Amino acid sequence: NAGVTQTPKFQVLKTGQSMTLQCAQDMNHEYMSWYRQDPGMGLRLIHYSVGAGITDQGEVPNGYNVSRSTTEDFPLRLLSAAPSQTSVYFCASSLAGTNTGELFFGEGSRLTVL
Amino acid sequence: AQSVTQPDIHITVSEGASLELRCNYSYGATPYLFWYVQSPGQGLQLLLKYFSGDTLVQGIKGFEAEFKRSQSSFNLRKPSVHWSDAAEYFCAVVRYSSASKIIFGSGTRLSIRP
Repeated sequence: NAGVTQTPKFQVLKTGQSMTLQCAQDMNHEYMSWYRQDPGMGLRLIHYSVGAGITDQGEVPNGYNVSRSTTEDFPLRLLSAAPSQTSVYFCASSLAGTNTGELFFGEGSRLTVL
Repeated sequence: AQSVTQPDIHITVSEGASLELRCNYSYGATPYLFWYVQSPGQGLQLLLKYFSGDTLVQGIKGFEAEFKRSQSSFNLRKPSVHWSDAAEYFCAVVRYSSASKIIFGSGTRLSIRP
């Protein structure tokens, strides 16, 4: 019963490096999303997807790219990391969007950009 | 702009005491409302949700919340807290017309005094 799986759990990058945070869910959820959590700011929506092939921007999309080629996977790409992207990142999924049910969260990925 | 406000950053209560965490939202219409809990190092877990109907909703772990339209509030309550309730609590809203974007408050950290 894996639920939402995020990898890696921890990552340290240098400014300008690129990386991909992986997110996979095995619940056949159509909706997936990425949030970043920073102290005193709660969770802010980066990007979301309502189904394979469909993505859209959230509150803070700059510096991040996403794609949704399958229902199961929703990777988050940082093309050129900046110290401002130091944060804890959460992937979340839902069966049919956020208006009919709950979000299921992964355990988070802690990213440090030096 | 839509927003969610949790005015209390950190609250400490004694074990066995009652608890109320405040949440206010700003929308033109009634949104969908949620409370999530985050234990240290973990993702978020849904405590309860309000979509419509009875304004007092029951959740898991003995929590309840009351929707008050006149005050634009959705406060979380528990009659008697346990040490295991120490965590961070997030209020969240979804605007009916924008079901794909769930917006979180900045969170309230709850500490329990033995």
